[in-house]
Amino acid sequence: DGGITQSPKYLFRKEGQNVTLSCEQNLNHDAMYWYRQDPGQGLRLIYYSQIVNDFQKGDIAEGYSVSREKKESFPLTVTSAQKNPTAFYLCASTYRRAPLNTGELFFGEGSRLTVL
Amino acid sequence: AQTVTQSQPEMSVQEAETVTLSCTYDTSESDYYLFWYKQPPSRQMILVIRQEAYKQQNATENRFSVNFQKAAKSFSLKISDSQLGDAAMYFCAYSDAGGTSYGKLTFGQGTILTVHP
Repeated sequence: DGGITQSPKYLFRKEGQNVTLSCEQNLNHDAMYWYRQDPGQGLRLIYYSQIVNDFQKGDIAEGYSVSREKKESFPLTVTSAQKNPTAFYLCASTYRRAPLNTGELFFGEGSRLTVL
Repeated sequence: AQTVTQSQPEMSVQEAETVTLSCTYDTSESDYYLFWYKQPPSRQMILVIRQEAYKQQNATENRFSVNFQKAAKSFSLKISDSQLGDAAMYFCAYSDAGGTSYGKLTFGQGTILTVHP
């Protein structure tokens, strides 16, 4: 079945450690996105990538890094520079080219990161 | 920058009745998309309905319909014949239709919908 797979579902980190969240899609989507969700604040865009080997900062990129070496994969690293990393992280993807470019984002099931 | 505002943090409805969730947005673009996403307790985001700004006709998907008022920048969601499975957090979202901003969704803060049996 086609879809977006995020792992791990739950992750615990000690302060000062970097962690990497995985996002893999087999939908042949061109563009991929990382969002952060905090209670009462909706979803906020961290980073996005519209083509392989290229990515752009979103609204809250500080303390995060990404790579896009393959079309299917868009891992997110939460670095020790991120001051408040405890949150729910959602990966999404979509088509960019007509006629499939409807603007709809398809989401993974998310990863819950807790800093101890 | 575009903004999306959902003024109702929580709403409730009786099973089989109708409820309307409100959303307003701000943009200077003329071509864009609007969405309603549902997030149940599993936290998987699910698309409920999508509207293209250049289309005058309001989108409908079975029991879900929207009231799109482009001049007023309003995009409300109506759920008819509410079911227990409709209980979730609902997010209104905006996206430019093209260019480098394509696919970058701006979300509102969400409305928690409770359905009473």
